[in-house]
Amino acid sequence: SQQGEEDPQALSIQEGENATMNCSYKTSINNLQWYRQNSGRGLVHLILIRSNEREKHSGRLRVTLDTSKKSSSLLITASRAADTASYFCATLSGGSYIPTFGRGTSLIVHP
Amino acid sequence: KAGVTQTPRYLIKTRGQQVTLSCSPISGHRSVSWYQQTPGQGLQFLFEYFSETQRNKGNFPGRFSGRQFSNSRSEMNVSTLELGDSALYLCASSPLGLAGGAGANVLTFGAGSRLTVL
Repeated sequence: SQQGEEDPQALSIQEGENATMNCSYKTSINNLQWYRQNSGRGLVHLILIRSNEREKHSGRLRVTLDTSKKSSSLLITASRAADTASYFCATLSGGSYIPTFGRGTSLIVHP
Repeated sequence: KAGVTQTPRYLIKTRGQQVTLSCSPISGHRSVSWYQQTPGQGLQFLFEYFSETQRNKGNFPGRFSGRQFSNSRSEMNVSTLELGDSALYLCASSPLGLAGGAGANVLTFGAGSRLTVL
């Protein structure tokens, strides 16, 4: 079953614009991760945010975490055509140490 | 260093056959996890192996099995294939195993094995 659910399911923007994806989850988490998947390939880890953190940055990526709302957002600034991919959030909850993935947001960046 | 290697990348089978997929983790990584990815169900956890022992198993029928060798390489097997088994099978490795503490459960994925069942 999915713990995290990404929103929107699909996002289409122009190069240079910012892209924001959201992830909502149901139970308390230890950490939340974002991954990227290019078409038909494996997932690539982007960033991990712990439950006691509110914001993290990595290059053009900014992740926020609001544990009171059980949600996280991934912001990609100044998007590029190469950012076209699916983006997944993965949560780690309670005593489990198996990351549970959402269904992903499909991002298309038009050149 | 070399990434996670999965073989074969693509394969086509018919219903009732069986298939074996292979995964070589990053050198030094002792944990290997397997996921099934389909458009309808997303990424579903199959099982995790650590030091040749299956530590966790997802909610899949017994037709899905796996093992890990002493060099950490892992195989998964699906017997009596069904049409619904068509999917991208992803292998991921991590250094200390998924229980190794914060940060240790960051997964490095292979490119996947695309299985089509006809």
